[in-house]
Amino acid sequence: DAGITQSPRHKVTETGTPVTLRCHQTENHRYMYWYRQDPGHGLRLIHYSYGVKDTDKGEVSDGYSVSRSKTEDFLLTLESATSSQTSVYFCAISESRDPVFGSGTRLTVV
Amino acid sequence: GENVEQHPSTLSVQEGDSAVIKCTYSDSASNYFPWYKQELGKGPQLIIDIRSNVGEKKDQRIAVTLNKTAKHFSLHITETQPEDSAVYFCAALTDSWGKLQFGAGTQVVVTP
Repeated sequence: DAGITQSPRHKVTETGTPVTLRCHQTENHRYMYWYRQDPGHGLRLIHYSYGVKDTDKGEVSDGYSVSRSKTEDFLLTLESATSSQTSVYFCAISESRDPVFGSGTRLTVV
Repeated sequence: GENVEQHPSTLSVQEGDSAVIKCTYSDSASNYFPWYKQELGKGPQLIIDIRSNVGEKKDQRIAVTLNKTAKHFSLHITETQPEDSAVYFCAALTDSWGKLQFGAGTQVVVTP
């Protein structure tokens, strides 16, 4: 998927535990995004980054934090996972208008 | 903020027939409207897009139309094939960089 790697691809975790998802790109794109996908909601933006250490909130940011210490890596952290955060998480990268998506991480919180 | 509505949520068509998916948006400042196709187990992939200064765009069997006055845009797939079966998402962009607002998606099933 166009130089985007998401890890892990699948994860099951317990309620209350911290979880970190990783997005790695080899395209040197400036912008990176985290979306979540849920039935009936399409894709909703969680957080985005417009450069190293420059991040901002999307429409569903509660319960999530992000970090971008290098151009190529964008980390999404669930500080204390809840069942409502069970979802498929997609990372995307772009230089302008057309984000390119990774293959996703399926997260289950039990 | 922008709100995008997409219809229908599911669409079943016979192979060879046409499929149409419709989306409406709320923010008149939106100026870019991409369509994504998502196959099972994969991330969404851009299949076609249209900018607000264009009314129609075609790429082989797929076409997109935009009506800015009515704030709606549509995806048309002609001569559907089984490989067109997937979930399709419309989206709208207001900002100059990549913060797309997505519709809820349409599951398209093409039956032989």
